[in-house]
Amino acid sequence: EAEVAQSPRYKITEKSQAVAFWCDPISGHATLYWYRQILGQGPELLVQFQDESVVDDSQLPKDRFSAERLKGVDSTLKIQPAELGDSAMYLCASSRGEGTEAFFGQGTRLTVV
Amino acid sequence: RKEVEQDPGPFNVPEGATVAFNCTYSNSASQSFFWYRQDCRKEPKLLMSVYSSGNEDGRFTAQLNRASQYISLLIRDSKLSDSATYLCVASSGTYKYIFGTGTRLKVLA
Repeated sequence: EAEVAQSPRYKITEKSQAVAFWCDPISGHATLYWYRQILGQGPELLVQFQDESVVDDSQLPKDRFSAERLKGVDSTLKIQPAELGDSAMYLCASSRGEGTEAFFGQGTRLTVV
Repeated sequence: RKEVEQDPGPFNVPEGATVAFNCTYSNSASQSFFWYRQDCRKEPKLLMSVYSSGNEDGRFTAQLNRASQYISLLIRDSKLSDSATYLCVASSGTYKYIFGTGTRLKVLA
């Protein structure tokens, strides 16, 4: 069964350092999402790609966060500099396209110390 | 007001009980709806899609009420293994895939 791959699974970083997360969606999935989830809350959409284009990054804190999907396949989410409040689970998901089911990777649990 | 809202619970129910959750959405342009299950510290897993005509999968039934802008999930004959957080999603034509905050379910022996 095809899966969304994410790495690393866990990341501990000091505040003010840079950190990056990687996601490889299910093959053929044009839509890719990055979410942030704080314990006890629902996933919050950070950025959404359709192929290589950003279609929604309205909730992405652009002063410190960036995301790219250069070839329309895998994607990287970066935080620089990391802050204590960035500690959360970062989830990547992909879907075939508009209105279709999205499937998640196992996530990256980030702890900023 | 959040675009997708759920009662956070927890809903504590005995084994064998029937339990129902609702999820309201504010964007009338929402066209696709889904329920996910999330276990503690794991990723959300797709439980079922919600069609206009409703959808049933074993003990789980999902319904959509467009007039009142809510979706529901009914779980019959609850099992201990159903204990989890249930997340609803409303997806609009502008690609947005928005989650609710989740409803915690605890099934008690």
